[in-house]
Amino acid sequence: QVQLVQSGAEVKKPGASVKVSCRASGYSFTSYAFSWVRQAPGQGFEWMGWISGYNGNTKYAQKVQGRVTMTTDTSTNTAYMELRSLRPDDTAVYYCVREEGYYDTSSNLQYYFDYWGQGTLVTVSS
Amino acid sequence: DIQMTQSPSSLSASVGDRVTITCRASQTIRSYLHWYQQKPGKAPKLLIYAASTLQSGVPSRFSGSGSGTDFTLTISSLQPEDFATYFCLQSSTTPFTFGPGTKVDIK
Repeated sequence: QVQLVQSGAEVKKPGASVKVSCRASGYSFTSYAFSWVRQAPGQGFEWMGWISGYNGNTKYAQKVQGRVTMTTDTSTNTAYMELRSLRPDDTAVYYCVREEGYYDTSSNLQYYFDYWGQGTLVTVSS
Repeated sequence: DIQMTQSPSSLSASVGDRVTITCRASQTIRSYLHWYQQKPGKAPKLLIYAASTLQSGVPSRFSGSGSGTDFTLTISSLQPEDFATYFCLQSSTTPFTFGPGTKVDIK
């Protein structure tokens, strides 16, 4: 069965960096893309960006562009999300999510998130 | 960015009730709208994708409808395990954006 297992909780000081891992199993890693999504305490979800499991192409949300780097390691079926220059408002649960594709009625390839990791709490505090 | 709103933000219902949750997009997203359920401390679970397609393994009491800007998630007969928060996701355009959620609790 598909599983996405993320690394454990982190506590960081403002200005530091964090790197969260997401190990995938139960499917062909290079056939799917990942998104990274975060949820601040008591808040809604925020999409951070996307990375192809096939070729490592990325697209980042403007809000975190310049501070985030998403990578994959196909030898270990692991995706990574690094966020730099951390601020207190980066405190959130970070999720990796697998993107499943489907064709719409116009034969356009579209995506949705079908499997989620268990989440990694990142706390940024001095 | 496409803004997603949901209504109501919360509701109280009884087992067996029919529950309807609405999601609205700030511009047309065709049918690129997906619904999720989240329980406290757990990762979200996909219920419906492409506005109306039931994800494999999800009970048939869940259904979705809509296109363009207005979408609906319906639970035909609420079960005890359905008390949770429900939210929508649009994947029409990046940045993908989420509705703020609807909390369904026990009346």
